[in-house]
Amino acid sequence: DIQMTQSPSSVSASVGDRVTITCRASQGVRTWLAWYQQKPGNAPKLLIYAASSLQSGVPSRFSGSGSETAFTLTISSLQPEDFATYYCQQSNSFPYTFGQGTKLEIK
Amino acid sequence: EEQLVESGGDLIQPGGSLRLSCAASGFTVSSNYMSWVRQAPGKGLEWVSVIFSGGNKYYADSVKGRFTISRDNSKNTLDLQMNSLRAEDTAVYYCARDRRYTNGPAFDIWGQGTMVTVSP
Repeated sequence: DIQMTQSPSSVSASVGDRVTITCRASQGVRTWLAWYQQKPGNAPKLLIYAASSLQSGVPSRFSGSGSETAFTLTISSLQPEDFATYYCQQSNSFPYTFGQGTKLEIK
Repeated sequence: EEQLVESGGDLIQPGGSLRLSCAASGFTVSSNYMSWVRQAPGKGLEWVSVIFSGGNKYYADSVKGRFTISRDNSKNTLDLQMNSLRAEDTAVYYCARDRRYTNGPAFDIWGQGTMVTVSP
């Protein structure tokens, strides 16, 4: 199985800050990597697919980059609604696997 | 509007069986790859199973041999038959559309989830 490791596991930041979350795969997954945002009590929401493609309707302050084993999700200027948990997920091979999550909290 | 709505979650005893259903609207289940993803209380996301549009099925090792994914084309639903349930199967179960983007699939539509609790 491909292991997905996110860092940090949690981060505190302020509105307007730039935040970067890293996701590493235990083996290459090409660009078959997605990022999701989840708020308490809600289903996950797709933000980024194919490592760097912005899902329709997602604000442009979200961006993704990377390939094979190293990926990043960047939020250029944090807004109050961005405080949530973020997950990366590989779909290169079965079983699909998720990172453990990064909780973004208000400083 | 494209939407998924799960149902069937319940409190069930260990060793019991339960069937979850996921009703789609705005698109056709059988024309898409569809997955089940679960989330144990306070934990992260775990992929459970997928069914391809062509009918191929894959499962996580943790549920292989106990869970069966299927679809009902007449009802436009995705189902998950869960047998021999264990305490560690306790989770919110989400169905999701596995969209086949060119450079990487992703779950673009999610249901609201249905809670399965396995406890004596």
